[in-house]
Amino acid sequence: NAGVTQTPKFRVLKTGQSMTLLCAQDMNHEYMYWYRQDPGMGLRLIHYSVGEGTTAKGEVPDGYNVSRLKKQNFLLGLESAAPSQTSVYFCASIPGAGLNTEAFFGQGTRLTVV
Amino acid sequence: GESVGLHLPTLSVQEGDNSIINCAYSNSASDYFIWYKQESGKGPQFIIDIRSNMDKRQGQRVTVLLNKTVKHLSLQIAATQPGDSAVYFCAEPSGGGNKLTFGTGTQLKVEL
Repeated sequence: NAGVTQTPKFRVLKTGQSMTLLCAQDMNHEYMYWYRQDPGMGLRLIHYSVGEGTTAKGEVPDGYNVSRLKKQNFLLGLESAAPSQTSVYFCASIPGAGLNTEAFFGQGTRLTVV
Repeated sequence: GESVGLHLPTLSVQEGDNSIINCAYSNSASDYFIWYKQESGKGPQFIIDIRSNMDKRQGQRVTVLLNKTVKHLSLQIAATQPGDSAVYFCAEPSGGGNKLTFGTGTQLKVEL
């Protein structure tokens, strides 16, 4: 089972460039999440989706956009990258709310903005 | 223990000793909690969970204790091994169950 797959695993961007991070899950999960994790710190929620075609803001959404056109994919976009967006990005999915169950995480995307 | 917005607290233990990692939560209505382990360079992985109708739940070498009175939970690791070295997070559903909120995390270091 692939579980949650993130691509790419590493990326270096120049300030002002744009890019899209892809998260794909093959577990038919309804809910998907994008987090960022900065060195020595915890996970902060950027955006999330409770189903195909829906998105919502987390605690640190500025500078990011997301789309959930297909249930299995959750895309995170950076329109104009800034050094402050240097971080490790994690995607996660759960079956859905009210089912109180564990989240499955991808292996992370390490992004450096220079 | 865990606190939001600060750098990771660190717990150092000797191999073979027991480890206790603490987490405080603020929402008295929370009814489900999860502990995750994150090894260096990897995504978080599920360790154990507990529902609010329980005070204690045991897994293999791990035990989670929930004290609803003081809104505190702890993760106990018995006979800590080098492979237990990682960052440990507690998490709970929030936002009406739509979001998963993580504590800051605790870095566990196992000394040989």
